[in-house]
Amino acid sequence: EDQVTQSPEALRLQEGESSSLNCSYTVSGLRGLFWYRQDPGKGPEFLFTLYSAGEEKEKERLKATLTKKESFLHITAPKPEDSATYLCAVPSDSGNTPLVFGKGTRLSVIA
Amino acid sequence: EPEVTQTPSHQVTQMGQEVILRCVPISNHLYFYWYRQILGQKVEFLVSFYNNEISEKSEIFDDQFSVERPDGSNFTLKIRSTKLEDSAMYFCASSEGQGDTPQHFGDGTRLSIL
Repeated sequence: EDQVTQSPEALRLQEGESSSLNCSYTVSGLRGLFWYRQDPGKGPEFLFTLYSAGEEKEKERLKATLTKKESFLHITAPKPEDSATYLCAVPSDSGNTPLVFGKGTRLSVIA
Repeated sequence: EPEVTQTPSHQVTQMGQEVILRCVPISNHLYFYWYRQILGQKVEFLVSFYNNEISEKSEIFDDQFSVERPDGSNFTLKIRSTKLEDSAMYFCASSEGQGDTPQHFGDGTRLSIL
């Protein structure tokens, strides 16, 4: 059973066109939700950790928010360099250390 | 900024051969991990390592796989007899703590089995 579901699978935006990516999770007792950025041929690059509902984190044009069942990554006035796959991950139910990843949202920002 | 480094970036091997993938985690981190990503699929957990022993492993991490920390800086993943389905990107990660602590990833080794 998928514990992390991301939507949409792909998103194409014009430069400056704000939008949001969604991550829903089904693990019990959330011990943190992580957002990563992955560029083609590269490893996931850590962006944010969110620990409790209502928490928000910001970095440049990105803002991550968390509710009890989902997280949003808001992208404000994106630029072409924001194009990447954005991954959401949570620690698994089965243990303390493994991260369970979603399939990601592939974002393309067109100039 | 400290980073996780992995070598080689690309490894091509004949089926049935042994491969060793190498990683240098961030120096003050205590927890080490291997993940893999088959082309077009999710990043999947393989194994975690702490205090010189495996702390958790997935169903993927069968007897063909092993991990080792041979010295104070390197962390290796060995596949004894590679199969075609082992072709994937293999990522090493490290973290200061477990569970709720961010894991930092290297740029991976692309393993191609012929």
